[in-house]
Amino acid sequence: EVQLVESGGGLLQPGGSLRLSCGSSGFTFSSYRMTWVRQAPGKGLEWVASMNQDGSEKNYVDSVKGRFTISRDNAENSLYLQMNSLRAEDTAVYYCARDVRWYWFDPWGQGTLVTVSS
Amino acid sequence: DIQMTQSPPSLSASVGDRVTITCRASQNIRNYLNWYQQKPGTAPKLMIYLASSLQSEVPSRFSGSGSGTDFTLTITGLQPEDLAIYYCQQSHSTPPTFGQGTKVEIK
Repeated sequence: EVQLVESGGGLLQPGGSLRLSCGSSGFTFSSYRMTWVRQAPGKGLEWVASMNQDGSEKNYVDSVKGRFTISRDNAENSLYLQMNSLRAEDTAVYYCARDVRWYWFDPWGQGTLVTVSS
Repeated sequence: DIQMTQSPPSLSASVGDRVTITCRASQNIRNYLNWYQQKPGTAPKLMIYLASSLQSEVPSRFSGSGSGTDFTLTITGLQPEDLAIYYCQQSHSTPPTFGQGTKVEIK
């Protein structure tokens, strides 16, 4: 069974940093692009970042460029999201998802909540 | 960025009804349109990709159609377990963008 499990969320103050992790199992991680999508409380879905299989191509939504960094460790079957200079508007559940083809997301992890508040 | 607009924002229907949700793209996305289902308290689930292809293990009462800028998700014979928010998403270009969602409730 394909599984994705996020971790690392929490409560922090504006300007802080956090690193999210996404562990995978049940598929050949190194063969797939991977993605982070977020959902603010009570709101819709917003794509955050994607990267290709070897990490040579990374894309970000404009609102996180220069603050967030997506990375992966294919040996550890893991995806990461380093989030710096966090703002209140970054408060959301962050999901990792396998990118089956070009921006087809399946499956998704259960999500991890990041709350940015003073 | 490509804007995705869904309608209606919410609907209420009875078990067995036929339900239709529409999604409009701000520019031609050919058939690069996906539909996701998000049940309360859970992660989204891919239901339909490339506008009309049913993801494996998705019930056949779900179907998708459309191309260009106008797309439709249809549930033929609504079931209680279909209570969810449905999102369309374009995969034509970066950034991939989602519609605002359609909440389906059961009468």
